Amino acid sequence: AQKVTQAQTEISVVEKEDVTLDCVYETRDTTYYLFWYKQPPSGELVFLIRRNSFDEQNEISGRYSWNFQKSTSSFNFTITASQVVDSAVYFCALSNNQGGKLIFGQGTELSVKP
Amino acid sequence: DAGITQSPRHKVTETGTPVTLRCHQTENHRYMYWYRQDPGHGLRLIHYSYGVKDTDKGEVSDGYSVSRSKTEDFLLTLESATSSQTSVYFCAISDPRGGATNEKLFFGSGTQLSVL
Repeated sequence: AQKVTQAQTEISVVEKEDVTLDCVYETRDTTYYLFWYKQPPSGELVFLIRRNSFDEQNEISGRYSWNFQKSTSSFNFTITASQVVDSAVYFCALSNNQGGKLIFGQGTELSVKP
Repeated sequence: DAGITQSPRHKVTETGTPVTLRCHQTENHRYMYWYRQDPGHGLRLIHYSYGVKDTDKGEVSDGYSVSRSKTEDFLLTLESATSSQTSVYFCAISDPRGGATNEKLFFGSGTQLSVL
């Protein structure tokens, strides 16, 4: 069975702090895809990144970076120098290559205070 | 932004009444999905469609049905709403190009449904 666990329900940081959101996944498939989505207070879901199981290179996009480690089944997300606009619920998700059927984690609510 | 419109945006209904939520897309994407979002559960897949009149069940399909008679419209129906179906419902679309079936999902703005 597939499962995504985001153990951190809520995180609160002060602006400019670095913060890491944890994501641990379970799957028996050798081919799979991992995603992160952001849900700001307005409610829409915004795609951040997709990573396939054969690409373990870490990725950096501005203040965002992702650390994919198959050995620990983790796909963690780090925000460097956090800003108030980063306040949102962040979801990690897993797909087993069956047409976009994503399994989501429970979400981590990040609050960045000025 | 992806052209996805969900209607209504908010609805309050009573237990036992039928409810239909509509998702309309202007992107001509082949795949469409209905998810529900509940605290502590993230988003869970209800039903999905991989083409006109081609639909299948997701993780939490009991009590829901769907229909897709046109590429652009995907309807979610609660035949007899229950309080446990109070939730935020999201429609999503994706476009598997060139055989890749895991292009990113684009989400609608959501429908807040309250069943009293």
